[in-house]
Amino acid sequence: DQQVKQNSPSLSVQEGRISILNCDYTNSMFDYFLWYKKYPAEGPTFLISISSIKDKNEDGRFTVFLNKSAKHLSLHIVPSQPGDSAVYFCAATDTNAGKSTFGDGTTLTVKP
Amino acid sequence: NAGVTQTPKFQVLKTGQSMTLQCAQDMNHNSMYWYRQDPGMGLRLIYYSASEGTTDKGEVPNGYNVSRLNKREFSLRLESAAPSQTSVYFCASSEQLLIAKNIQYFGAGTRLSVL
Repeated sequence: DQQVKQNSPSLSVQEGRISILNCDYTNSMFDYFLWYKKYPAEGPTFLISISSIKDKNEDGRFTVFLNKSAKHLSLHIVPSQPGDSAVYFCAATDTNAGKSTFGDGTTLTVKP
Repeated sequence: NAGVTQTPKFQVLKTGQSMTLQCAQDMNHNSMYWYRQDPGMGLRLIYYSASEGTTDKGEVPNGYNVSRLNKREFSLRLESAAPSQTSVYFCASSEQLLIAKNIQYFGAGTRLSVL
């Protein structure tokens, strides 16, 4: 049973427009959520996170929204840039257990 | 500032061969992890080490062993490689396992093919 799901394997957007990446989870014990970005032939790097006590966290062009009742979070990138083209992983953490569970990733392509 | 260093970057093995993947971090982190990533899939946790001297199984530990050699180093061993272990392996480290904002820092990965 996959506890963290990213239902869109890929997303293509035009430069300057908004990119919205989605993530759903099933485990109500998850209390912290992170987004990682991965370029080809590199390891994932941390992008932005949100605690379950918040519903929004913003960092520059990146904003993460959390809807606890729907067990859904999304990453918004505005405006999208070609350099944002990468695979984005959603990860959820149960702080008491410590480990993070990752989604399968969404490949974002931003076209110039 | 090296961060997390994995060696080797690429490896081809024959079925039944053994090998050890090396990982070292220079951030004085307490916790370290080994993941595998198969095509179209996310990162699946193989083993982790919450702190020096401890190791625990993750989601997919079968066929692997680990050693937390010291605070810096965490190795992953395949005793008898199988084609199903063909994957990209990532090592990661984090400051502390049981904190809310447990950001993990990843190495560049080891691409392993088992023929």
